[in-house]
Amino acid sequence: GAGVSQSPRYKVAKRGQDVALRCDPISGHVSLFWYQQALGQGPEFLTYFQNEAQLDKSGLPSDRFFAERPEGSVSTLKIQRTQQEDSAVYLCASSLAVAGLDYEQYFGPGTRLTVT
Amino acid sequence: KNQVEQSPQSLIILEGKNCTLQCNYTVSPFSNLRWYKQDTGRGPVSLTIMTFSENTKSNGRYTATLDADTKQSSLHITASQLSDSASYICVVSSASGGSYIPTFGRGTSLIVHP
Repeated sequence: GAGVSQSPRYKVAKRGQDVALRCDPISGHVSLFWYQQALGQGPEFLTYFQNEAQLDKSGLPSDRFFAERPEGSVSTLKIQRTQQEDSAVYLCASSLAVAGLDYEQYFGPGTRLTVT
Repeated sequence: KNQVEQSPQSLIILEGKNCTLQCNYTVSPFSNLRWYKQDTGRGPVSLTIMTFSENTKSNGRYTATLDADTKQSSLHITASQLSDSASYICVVSSASGGSYIPTFGRGTSLIVHP
């Protein structure tokens, strides 16, 4: 079946522009995570949704970062007034979560954002 | 602060040789530990998962070990292949308030030469 997809795969933005990154999780997956992966680093947690509820956004680096999942499926990560330090790969992962139990996360290919 | 440290940072081996990657963590409370393989330009793919009570888990040529007392894990790759060239990431999950937030290591970059 289809895996997690992300679009666009590559995005170049001029400093100060707003960007929107999309994640299509695996159908039926309850949980959705966003991660930021800088070059040569491991992914860093940004935010987590269970259905449409954003349960944890402690990893968002500033108030310029905003994520939503209004219908509990597709999610969008929006970055306002992009800065050069926002350049990274943004990974999305989804899982078939059952409350109170851990689960396997399936990752998308990521969106590589370059801010010039 | 929860942390996951991996070593070595990078490793070059010849095809057919074995290698072992290390992971040390300070994550509390501990839920599970996963090893992921991340090919260049792709998202991570899970290789193994271990809970507190497990101390070894195999997946083909990959064998992971866990010592929960010393908070150390290793990933052993047997008879390496060119396709094993990738970044290997150790991820430790912590259970808090019903959600499981993972902490990722920086990864070990493995290059397998013919």
